Amino acid sequence: AQSVTQPDIHITVSEGASLELRCNYSYGATPYLFWYVQSPGQGLQLLLKYFSGDTLVQGIKGFEAEFKRSQSSFNLRKPSVHWSDAAEYFCAVGTTDSWGKLQFGAGTQVVVTP
Amino acid sequence: GAVVSQHPSRVICKSGTSVKIECRSLDFQATTMFWYRQFPKKSLMLMATSNEGSKATYEQGVEKDKFLINHASLTLSTLTVTSAHPEDSSFYICSARERKLAGGPGNIQYFGAGTRLSVL
Repeated sequence: AQSVTQPDIHITVSEGASLELRCNYSYGATPYLFWYVQSPGQGLQLLLKYFSGDTLVQGIKGFEAEFKRSQSSFNLRKPSVHWSDAAEYFCAVGTTDSWGKLQFGAGTQVVVTP
Repeated sequence: GAVVSQHPSRVICKSGTSVKIECRSLDFQATTMFWYRQFPKKSLMLMATSNEGSKATYEQGVEKDKFLINHASLTLSTLTVTSAHPEDSSFYICSARERKLAGGPGNIQYFGAGTRLSVL
């Protein structure tokens, strides 16, 4: 069965500093990978996705992620964080079954300090 | 972009009453919608998958008689929490998977803003 691991529960970063959120997955085939962001009391917004092709994907809000098959990772990065980036970030792996279910990681809480 | 509307955003009800939550895809057709439950500071737990015109498929441990799901059209799914009790208090989120007419894996889920249910 597939699984998604986000090793960091909580990350504190200074505004303007770079951010990297880790995501490791376990899946037998080539996975569909996603990063979502959730602000408090809100739903999830899709930041970016990887289905195939170029392993470095660009998303919204200046985020990017790199798919590394050898490491089973899909880490999310942003060169310079803004205070508005404070939120919960979820990595997810999608299955190729007919339903298109997602398996979510536990999430990483990002706090941005002045 | 694809927009999913979820209503209401917040509901408070008395124990024993039923609550209906609506999930609508506003600018696309969704053959499949998903219902999740999220506990404080926790990840999303998939409750059920609903496909338009057919019965929902529930995840293990989810009571289908308590959480009734109806997916009557390609743009609307509803979750009814029947005879709600305080332990049903939670944040419920729906998502809709876009129906792709041509090309692409069509595996993107778009999420509603969630419904905060508080049962007194």
